[in-house]
Amino acid sequence: EVQLAQSGAEVKKPGESLKISCKGSGYKFTSYWIGWVRQMPGKGLEWMGIIYGDSDTRYNPSFQGQVTISADKSITTAYLQWSSLKASDTAMYYCVRGSEYGHSAGDYWGQGTLVTVSS
Amino acid sequence: DIVVTQSPDSLAVSLGERATINCKSSQSVLSSSNNKDYLGWYQQKPGQPPKLLIYWASNRESGVPDRFSGSGSGTDFTLTISSLQAEDVAVYYCQQYYTSPPEFGQGTRVEIK
Repeated sequence: EVQLAQSGAEVKKPGESLKISCKGSGYKFTSYWIGWVRQMPGKGLEWMGIIYGDSDTRYNPSFQGQVTISADKSITTAYLQWSSLKASDTAMYYCVRGSEYGHSAGDYWGQGTLVTVSS
Repeated sequence: DIVVTQSPDSLAVSLGERATINCKSSQSVLSSSNNKDYLGWYQQKPGQPPKLLIYWASNRESGVPDRFSGSGSGTDFTLTISSLQAEDVAVYYCQQYYTSPPEFGQGTRVEIK
């Protein structure tokens, strides 16, 4: 069974750094893209970026330079990282597996990681 | 970037009745190389991650009830729920994944009348 298990909810202060994770299982991790999607409170879905293997990374220009997407294929885990959080980063973040229909069409989703940034 | 716009923003439908959601992209998402429209539909219930319902505009994902259907090509697409059930209350998103960055529509909230 394909699963994407995300790390738990985080509460951080502005200016702090954060790295959240998404562990894939039940499939060959290196054969699929993994993307990250932001959902701000009460809002819609925003595609942040995507990674294939542990090196081929593509960002939505809206998020380029704001976050870093990485992966460690040895432990089948993808990451989303901030170096300096802002209150506006408060959101639910989902990881999603790119499907065979298109690498940005997500067929399996993680349960989400809620990030709260507040002073 | 391709902009994706859904209509309406919300709709209320009686149980057993048809629900129709429209999605329009600012550019064609039809690939000339394989004649497929790179347009998907997702369902998001409260407190849950989105779920892929439809891919390539009209193909149902495995396990999705056949009351859900997708149609359209090029720039204009429709998601139809033929007979609304209580468990279909959700927000529905279309997404173009033809070009980067992929873009979601703003969502359509479906409720029971």
